[in-house]
Amino acid sequence: DIQMTQSPSSLAASVGDRITITCRPSQAIGTYLNWYQLIPGKAPKLLIFAASNLHTGVPSRFSGSGSGTDFTLTISSLQPEDFATYSCQQSYNYPWTFGPGTKVAIK
Amino acid sequence: QVHLEQSGAEVKKPGASVKVSCQASGYNFVSYGITWVRQAPGHGLEWLGWISPYNGNTNYAQKVLGRVTMTTEKSTNTAYMDLGSLTSDDTAVYYCARGNSMIRGGDSYYYIDVWGKGTTVTVSS
Repeated sequence: DIQMTQSPSSLAASVGDRITITCRPSQAIGTYLNWYQLIPGKAPKLLIFAASNLHTGVPSRFSGSGSGTDFTLTISSLQPEDFATYSCQQSYNYPWTFGPGTKVAIK
Repeated sequence: QVHLEQSGAEVKKPGASVKVSCQASGYNFVSYGITWVRQAPGHGLEWLGWISPYNGNTNYAQKVLGRVTMTTEKSTNTAYMDLGSLTSDDTAVYYCARGNSMIRGGDSYYYIDVWGKGTTVTVSS
């Protein structure tokens, strides 16, 4: 199975900050990488698919990049509704695997 | 709009089985796969498997192979996940989700684009 690691595991930031989250799979996966936003009690939300494609309706402050074994999710200007946990996921092969998550908290 | 409605919370004893339902609306049910994912307390998301409502093909995670059965009912646009021989390690929020794909350069890039709100399953004696 492909192991997914994320860094940092958590971070504290302020509204308006630019933040970057890194995801590294244990083997190269091309651009078969997706990003999700998780908020307790709510349905998870797709943000980015195929490494850099913004899902319909997702604000343009979210962006994704990378390929192979190094991926990033960037939020250019944090908004109050962005304080959540972010998880990457590979769809290169089965079983699909997810990163452990990065919790973004209010500073 | 596209929506996945999941059944309510369950409390089960060790060794029992649980069946979670997921009713889809707002799209052609047979045109998209249904993926099941869970999140145990303090853990990340874990993929459990996938089913095609079109032909019933399935692909299960090795960890739950032999204990899980995923089915669909086209007449009601409903997917089911049945998990047996429950232990405390199965305590989690279980999500159903719609699989989608983008074709680019001859390759298919799969992702989960719509999620249900989750069903909490607690296994406790």
